[in-house]
Amino acid sequence: ILNVEQSPQSLHVQEGDSTNFTCSFPSSNFYALHWYRWETAKSPEALFVMTLNGDEKKKGRISATLNTKEGYSYLYIKGSQPEDSATYLCAFTGATDSWGKLQFGAGTQVVVTP
Amino acid sequence: GAVVSQHPSWVICKSGTSVKIECRSLDFQATTMFWYRQFPKQSLMLMATSNEGSKATYEQGVEKDKFLINHASLTLSTLTVTSAHPEDSSFYICSARLWRLAGGTLTEQYFGPGTRLTVT
Repeated sequence: ILNVEQSPQSLHVQEGDSTNFTCSFPSSNFYALHWYRWETAKSPEALFVMTLNGDEKKKGRISATLNTKEGYSYLYIKGSQPEDSATYLCAFTGATDSWGKLQFGAGTQVVVTP
Repeated sequence: GAVVSQHPSWVICKSGTSVKIECRSLDFQATTMFWYRQFPKQSLMLMATSNEGSKATYEQGVEKDKFLINHASLTLSTLTVTSAHPEDSSFYICSARLWRLAGGTLTEQYFGPGTRLTVT
């Protein structure tokens, strides 16, 4: 994989249900993998930065895992709430990328319906 | 903490005119700021990296004479779209980098809310 890819592009979730989605990234030259939540008309909000294979991070009902050997990360939302509706972006930083620049996926848009 | 503002939030300009977008880190000093552009249904694409007191580094395919970047202080970077054309209509968003040291080096970028540019 040369680029950062996210799937699915969008998903609809019933309130209370749990969901997860994927970010795929180059498995070579890895330095860090970032997750952001982006609500409409707001700034993207940093959720997690992960650097080590096997990393698991948690923030409230949201958690993420990282597999650098195979080049993927999962983001999980447990017990989805309407306020979780947002676009979730992942971004890759390569070890040789200067200034820690980010290469973004196109995002997964999550809509949680009551 | 770590708030980044961007101004204006939207702007409409006529073809051939120039537009300046400001990006400010409000509660921290950012030695590095980044400028991204997003076209509909696409990912955020890095345009340039702006380091305080030095010339910006542009990504391949980004015209440096068209997208002028100035990073004169640790809290302000500006992007000027010169001689704008309809194809420059896009969503422009900046971010500022905050370094943390914790047994290693983590890099975090904090984003502004973006600027919607429409060129008529």
